Amino acid sequence: EIVLTQFPGTLSLSPGERATLSCRASQSVTSNFLAWYQQKRGQAPRLLIYRASSRATGIPDRFSGSGSGTDFTLTISRLEPEDFAVYYCQHYGSSLWTFGQGTRVEIK
Amino acid sequence: EVQLVESGGGLVKPGGSLRLSCAASGLTFGTVWMGWVRQAPGKGLEWVGRIKANAFAGATDYAAPVQGRFTISRDDSKNTLDLQMNSLKTEDTAVYYCVKTAISDSVFDYWGQGTLVTVSS
Repeated sequence: EIVLTQFPGTLSLSPGERATLSCRASQSVTSNFLAWYQQKRGQAPRLLIYRASSRATGIPDRFSGSGSGTDFTLTISRLEPEDFAVYYCQHYGSSLWTFGQGTRVEIK
Repeated sequence: EVQLVESGGGLVKPGGSLRLSCAASGLTFGTVWMGWVRQAPGKGLEWVGRIKANAFAGATDYAAPVQGRFTISRDDSKNTLDLQMNSLKTEDTAVYYCVKTAISDSVFDYWGQGTLVTVSS
C-alpha cells in the first residue's frame, strides 16, 4: 500500500498569495496516477487535478499540478477567498487506493 | 446531471451491522466503477473500497481496515450501489460518501453528500 504524506499540515496565507502544497508517496506512483481534491467545510470533496497535472472540468487555471514518481505539488497561483479549504492528494495507480492526510489552507 | 444520493446511515452498536445504499442518476450506471470513501469526524478522507463495472466482472477491492467486514455490491438494473457493513467498530464512525469514478481515469469525479454512521454503545 502506498502511503501519501502531505506537507505542510497547515498553510496560512493571504488572498492573492501563491500556495504550494506538497504530497510525497512512499513508493513511485504508477503512470502519475495522482489526484488532488478540495474540500470546504461541510461539503463533499471536489476533484481538482488528475494524472498529476490535468485539470478537471470547470477548474480555474489558477490551480495547477506537477510532479512525478514520488513527489507531487499542487499550486494555487493567486488565492481567491473561496480557495481557503482543505486539500487532499490521492493515488489510484494500484488495486488499493489511498489519500494523504490533507493540507489546510487558512486565511492569515 | 449526475446525482448520487446516499441513505441508510444511523446509530448502531459495536458488533452490529448496517447497510448503506446509494441511488445514482444522470449516468450510464452499468459502465462506471463506483466506490465508497469515508471521513471520521474532524479527520481526513479514507478510501473504503470500490466495485468495477460488470464488464470487469464487478470485481471489488477494499481497504485493509474493512477487508472481510464490508461488502460492496451493485444493482445495475436499479442504478444502486450498496455497502453492507458487518462487525462494526467504534472506529467505523464516519460520514460515508458514495463516489463515481471517471471513465478515463479512476478518480472520483462525482460525490454524494454523505450519510453519517455512528457506532456507539
